[in-house]
Amino acid sequence: NAGVTQTPKFQVLKTGQSMTLQCAQDMNHNSMYWYRQDPGMGLRLIYYSASEGTTDKGEVPNGYNVSRLNKREFSLRLESAAPSQTSVYFCASSVVDEQFFGPGTRLTVL
Amino acid sequence: RKEVEQDPGPFNVPEGATVAFNCTYSNSASQSFFWYRQDCRKEPKLLMSVYSSGNEDGRFTAQLNRASQYISLLIRDSKLSDSATYLCVVMATDSWGKFQFGAGTQVVVTP
Repeated sequence: NAGVTQTPKFQVLKTGQSMTLQCAQDMNHNSMYWYRQDPGMGLRLIYYSASEGTTDKGEVPNGYNVSRLNKREFSLRLESAAPSQTSVYFCASSVVDEQFFGPGTRLTVL
Repeated sequence: RKEVEQDPGPFNVPEGATVAFNCTYSNSASQSFFWYRQDCRKEPKLLMSVYSSGNEDGRFTAQLNRASQYISLLIRDSKLSDSATYLCVVMATDSWGKFQFGAGTQVVVTP
């Protein structure tokens, strides 16, 4: 039982490049989330998916797109990366009140 | 104003001592409250949920004050392994399923 997995763990991009962050959970949770964490800012919600086929914008959605491919997988895409998107990205899934997080992706945009 | 605010610390605590800190929230529709623990550069993990009547889990005690809109966490008999950042998390009924995170309170337990 792997819980929540994320790939890649680290990534360096140049401004304007695109990439997709992958997230998968094996706990049969309906809800999945993408957050970013910046120093002194706490976790901020980028996008949220309450169930397969549904997505909803969070606090900071600009510059990102998401796909809830199926119940297990929720991907985050940066179409044209900017230095302001340098951050640690966490995927999470939840049942009732508890959230389970993946190990994070550390992204640097040069 | 942030919806969930925490004193960033650090709270430097001698091993064996007690430390307590609060978190304030601004949304009166907040209904569910949690403390998460985050170790350096790792993912957050649930420490405990916070119930209206207050609750205890071993050395950790959480309290909720709805009138003043804050929650608290108290750690007794601090261990070196308690060194971490503690995140206050709130979910409101007007945004069900979406969690609001505080920026965290850093605790450093020293020998």
